[in-house]
Amino acid sequence: EVQLVESGGGLVQPGGSLRLSCAVSGVTFNSYWMHWVRQAPGKGLVWVSRISSDGSTTTYADSVKGRFTISRDNARDTLYLQMNSLRAEDTAVYYCARQQDYSNDYWGLGTLVTVSS
Amino acid sequence: QSALTQPPSVSGSPGQSVTVSCTGTSSDVGSYNRVSWYQQPPGTAPKLMIYEVSNRPSGVTDRFSGSKSGNTASLTISGLQAEDEADYYCSSYTSSSTFVFGTGTKVTVL
Repeated sequence: EVQLVESGGGLVQPGGSLRLSCAVSGVTFNSYWMHWVRQAPGKGLVWVSRISSDGSTTTYADSVKGRFTISRDNARDTLYLQMNSLRAEDTAVYYCARQQDYSNDYWGLGTLVTVSS
Repeated sequence: QSALTQPPSVSGSPGQSVTVSCTGTSSDVGSYNRVSWYQQPPGTAPKLMIYEVSNRPSGVTDRFSGSKSGNTASLTISGLQAEDEADYYCSSYTSSSTFVFGTGTKVTVL
């Protein structure tokens, strides 16, 4: 059974940093591109970033470029999202998701990030 | 990258069909057959319902179908059931090698 489990969310002050993790099991992690998608409370889904299976290629939404960094550790079957210079508008549930055929076929349950003073 | 445009809500009675539209541009929906649809009941993670415009993943009922014409993709739910009530989002790959989601549509079963 494929499982994606996010962790690392919490309350952080504006300007602060946080690192999210996504532990993946039940699948050959190093064969798949992976994504981060977020959803502000009561709002829609917003694509954040993706990373290639070997970690050599990364892309970002304009809203997070230069502040967020996606990475992965294929030895640990774990995806990361380093978030710096956080703003109130970054408050959201952050989901990790596996890419298959340019879609996201498996999703985690999400981890909540709240940016507030 | 602006979000793809979806109607805020659609509704139908049990057994009816409803269609959700998803309008993008020539830089995303219009250029690639890489449009997906996701179902998200309240308080849950999204679930993939359609990929590559019209393909259903294993386990998704054939009451869900997808299509595309020009810059607009569509999701049709046939034989509407109470369990179909949820938010639905489209997504597309873009010419910038990024992805973009739609604004979301709440489907209500009357």
